[in-house]
Amino acid sequence: AQSVTQLDSHVSVSEGTPVLLRCNYSSSYSPSLFWYVQHPNKGLQLLLKYTSAATLVKGINGFEAEFKKSETSFHLTKPSAHMSDAAEYFCVVRPLGAGNNRKLIWGLGTSLAVNP
Amino acid sequence: GAVVSQHPSRVICKSGTSVKIECRSLDFQATTMFWYRQFPKQSLMLMATSNEGSKATYEQGVEKDKFLINHASLTLSTLTVTSAHPEDSSFYICSASEGTETQYFGPGTRLLVL
Repeated sequence: AQSVTQLDSHVSVSEGTPVLLRCNYSSSYSPSLFWYVQHPNKGLQLLLKYTSAATLVKGINGFEAEFKKSETSFHLTKPSAHMSDAAEYFCVVRPLGAGNNRKLIWGLGTSLAVNP
Repeated sequence: GAVVSQHPSRVICKSGTSVKIECRSLDFQATTMFWYRQFPKQSLMLMATSNEGSKATYEQGVEKDKFLINHASLTLSTLTVTSAHPEDSSFYICSASEGTETQYFGPGTRLLVL
């Protein structure tokens, strides 16, 4: 069965320090992987996606993620946190080879707090 | 590009009434739209998938007679919560896909049933 595990429900960093949000997945097929961000009272925004091209994916707002098949991980990183990065982050998997089923599998989310 | 809107952003209704939520893709044609429900501090739960012009496919445990979904055009889908009860209070989010694997999400609708 496919699943997504976000290893930390809450992460707190200081402004200007690196961010690491961890995600592991389980999928029977080669998946597509996404990171979405949800700011309070705003819609979910796509940060980046991996779709079997380069394993290091660069997204918006300075975020990037590396697909590591051997570790079944897709951790999200940013070199230097900004106050505006405080939000809820979701790791999402879409298993490939599933026909036209575009059903996404969602992690439970990681709440990122950025301290001044 | 790829903007999805939802209306209303929040609604309060009395128990037993019906509420309609609209989801629109503003600058692209959405062949598929999805409806999710999100409980506080939790992840998104897919309720149903709808393709333009055909009946929605509901996830297991979601009552199709209670949550009516219509996807009449390539830019509009509606979710009607019929005979709403307090336990239906939640945050409802739609997303739209133009045929690729990327879904674009609306800002969500907060429903409170009194």
